[in-house]
Amino acid sequence: RKEVEQDPGPFNVPEGATVAFNCTYSNSASQSFFWYRQDCRKEPKLLMSVYSSGNEDGRFTAQLNRASQYISLLIRDSKLSDSATYLCVVFSSGGYNKLIFGAGTRLAVHP
Amino acid sequence: EAGVTQFPSHSVIEKGQTVTLRCDPISGHDNLYWYRRVMGKEIKFLLHFVKESKQDESGMPNNRFLAERTGGTYSTLKVQPAELEDSGVYFCASSRQGFNTGELFFGEGSRLTVL
Repeated sequence: RKEVEQDPGPFNVPEGATVAFNCTYSNSASQSFFWYRQDCRKEPKLLMSVYSSGNEDGRFTAQLNRASQYISLLIRDSKLSDSATYLCVVFSSGGYNKLIFGAGTRLAVHP
Repeated sequence: EAGVTQFPSHSVIEKGQTVTLRCDPISGHDNLYWYRRVMGKEIKFLLHFVKESKQDESGMPNNRFLAERTGGTYSTLKVQPAELEDSGVYFCASSRQGFNTGELFFGEGSRLTVL
């Protein structure tokens, strides 16, 4: 089983739509969680951290469910510029001590 | 402030040849990481330097891979001899603090194609 699992997509949505991505992680000792964004043939960049209480940054909302080992990212009012691959990233300690990346979920926003 | 730079951006070599990838981290970042993305798979950790010391090299696939960071500045990743399965994008990243802040600054990657 992969340490971080994501639906690869692609999610094809029209501009203005709301889209949600999910991610599950296998290591219950994982401590910190993040969403990265990667544009085609570019480097990954940190989008936002994910806090236990949930957090929002403009049109983006991230949530964490530790009991279910599940992370989500919600994008409201999708823009063409949101088209990218969204990577779920987990920091696991307890022998791992590294950032572990999911394979990513591809989002394509169309006019 | 300059970002993480990697060279070359793309390298095509034949099986059995040697390739050396270079990474220049953001100035002042003691932590330097190498990751690799093989086609269709997730970005996987290779190793982590703190200054010139290898903090964790548990992700290095085998002894054909050698990473160095002399003087704690730039780093090189050498693959010798290269095999077909080494093809992929090699990302370098750096950070001022360690992993737990979650923010790694990545370079654009070095795409390696082994024929």
